[in-house]
Amino acid sequence: GAVVSQHPSWVICKSGTSVKIECRSLDFQATTMFWYRQFPKQSLMLMATSNEGSKATYEQGVEKDKFLINHASLTLSTLTVTSAHPEDSSFYICSRKLAGFTDTQYFGPGTRLTVL
Amino acid sequence: DQQVKQNSPSLSVQEGRISILNCDYTNSMFDYFLWYKKYPAEGPTFLISISSIKDKNEDGRFTVFLNKSAKHLSLHIVPSQPGDSAVYFCAASQGGSQGNLIFGKGTKLSVKP
Repeated sequence: GAVVSQHPSWVICKSGTSVKIECRSLDFQATTMFWYRQFPKQSLMLMATSNEGSKATYEQGVEKDKFLINHASLTLSTLTVTSAHPEDSSFYICSRKLAGFTDTQYFGPGTRLTVL
Repeated sequence: DQQVKQNSPSLSVQEGRISILNCDYTNSMFDYFLWYKKYPAEGPTFLISISSIKDKNEDGRFTVFLNKSAKHLSLHIVPSQPGDSAVYFCAASQGGSQGNLIFGKGTKLSVKP
């Protein structure tokens, strides 16, 4: 069964508004979760690493003030796209690592964001 | 510069035959490789992985081969089934990191009945 859930699965918003996406680890407490973005016909690009109880680590080129990440509990990480613009329209996917020390990650179902 | 490359954007195979999906990488520090399957509007589903200390890993119909000298890996699906039709992503990670995965652009596999 699913080990990572995301909510909402899709969202349409007006330009300038903020959108929050939730990512939950269902079966395991995750101190670290990951946020990816996928544009059409492109690969998944890591945006940031979400760390429970501390600041997220952002990849180069990802605006920290634009994509706010909060990892307030061991099972929940949120990504807020602030002042969304049409170019932020994308498929956002979160993941967590498999228990243990492997690098295998399990992904959520993704959230399709469309900014009008 | 892409560190993980999937040069074939698409592949079409007849049901029952073998599907071979290829992936090349440039970073010799990668030591763990994964294949994910993805349907439209869904998150990737983990399929199979291989550590750099191995050259083959098999799980049911899926086998991953790793050629470190060539910096090449491949996913073999045999026999292919129509339900295997999806986009397959190759991913790699470097030990000692936080586990960041670097993905290829994916190969769309179509298995025809």
